[in-house]
Amino acid sequence: GAGVSQSPSNKVTEKGKDVELRCDPISGHTALYWYRQRLGQGLEFLIYFQGNSAPDKSGLPSDRFSAERTGESVSTLTIQRTQQEDSAVYLCASSPRRGNTEAFFGQGTRLTVV
Amino acid sequence: AQSVTQLGSHVSVSEGALVLLRCNYSSSVPPYLFWYVQYPNQGLQLLLKYTTGATLVKGINGFEAEFKKSETSFHLTKPSAHMSDAAEYFCAVISNFGNEKLTFGTGTRLTIIP
Repeated sequence: GAGVSQSPSNKVTEKGKDVELRCDPISGHTALYWYRQRLGQGLEFLIYFQGNSAPDKSGLPSDRFSAERTGESVSTLTIQRTQQEDSAVYLCASSPRRGNTEAFFGQGTRLTVV
Repeated sequence: AQSVTQLGSHVSVSEGALVLLRCNYSSSVPPYLFWYVQYPNQGLQLLLKYTTGATLVKGINGFEAEFKKSETSFHLTKPSAHMSDAAEYFCAVISNFGNEKLTFGTGTRLTIIP
């Protein structure tokens, strides 16, 4: 596709359930980011993948959060035992190469935990 | 380590007035700097970026920013605000080596007063 694709665009889940959010980066992009944006707030870094390097997981807020990426393709962010404070828009971005190139963002997944 | 500070979470300017959104960065190595914009209910898009070369960078929609190493700043300006400029603006930094993670500021919400 032409851009970063995220699915689903909206997800409503019950507290305690697990959810999986998917990100399809732009083909050939080596870097992939996940961010969380709570209502009216800024971007909170979650995790960063760069090629075959070990991911930077320093932003994951708890062990309920995990993410995987297969090679330089699709990434999945998993939230286990969701809590109401997990409600947010989850944004994925990809970047074509190291360093000076901007990231391209998807439209996000709006997660609502009820 | 690198970080970004955006002074002023909310800025209001009158239509036609100068827009100035402040961004200061902290980086132990020469940075790459970015401004992103997020219009209501939309994803993030790149306004402009500084990598190397000319320190005054021009972006889309009449915005520009100047990299000032001595002040560790990358403030965003526009000579004359338009109603369509109302949005959230994010400053971001990548250090040009290391894990090269894109780090965002907390954002500034720009309101345009008719």
